[in-house]
Amino acid sequence: NAGVTQTPKFQVLKTGQSMTLQCAQDMNHNSMYWYRQDPGMGLRLIYYSASEGTTDKGEVPNGYNVSRLNKREFSLRLESAAPSQTSVYFCASSQIAKNIQYFGAGTRLSVL
Amino acid sequence: AQSVTQPDIHITVSEGASLELRCNYSYGATPYLFWYVQSPGQGLQLLLKYFSGDTLVQGIKGFEAEFKRSQSSFNLRKPSVHWSDAAEYFCAVAGVNNDMRFGAGTRLTVKP
Repeated sequence: NAGVTQTPKFQVLKTGQSMTLQCAQDMNHNSMYWYRQDPGMGLRLIYYSASEGTTDKGEVPNGYNVSRLNKREFSLRLESAAPSQTSVYFCASSQIAKNIQYFGAGTRLSVL
Repeated sequence: AQSVTQPDIHITVSEGASLELRCNYSYGATPYLFWYVQSPGQGLQLLLKYFSGDTLVQGIKGFEAEFKRSQSSFNLRKPSVHWSDAAEYFCAVAGVNNDMRFGAGTRLTVKP
């Protein structure tokens, strides 16, 4: 009964370092999403994949890239981390786009 | 693009009192609307959704919401709040491009 699994749970980076946040879902969902959550700003969509093989930019895509590796997995990459990318990152999936989203537990990222 | 406004950043209610959290949306067509709840350090969990049909929708944990097209609102209500309802609540609208927009959230504090 894993649902949406995100790794790692915590990460500290130095400015300029790169890293990839991993997300996997075991619900056979078609759509997957990456959000960042900052105090007072709610969740903002970074990228999403409405179906396997497609990815689209959300509200705040700059500084990020994504890969829909297969139907289960959707990764988020920071090529050159900046302090402004300090945030909590959530991955979510839904059976189809515009439907109920199921969220992972989040990744807390600090960029020093 | 669609957008969501939650006018109240923080609300405090006494246990047993009624609750109403406000949500206003901006969207050109019939919206798909959602309310999610987030406990500290956790991901988001769906409370209820509106896609079409009856404008009063029931959700989990005794919550309900009413869709009012004329007011572009989707307010969340609960007749009697429990201490365990203390959390942050997010309203969201699904967009025409299969993306999702969340409000900034309302933090609920419950007084004994």
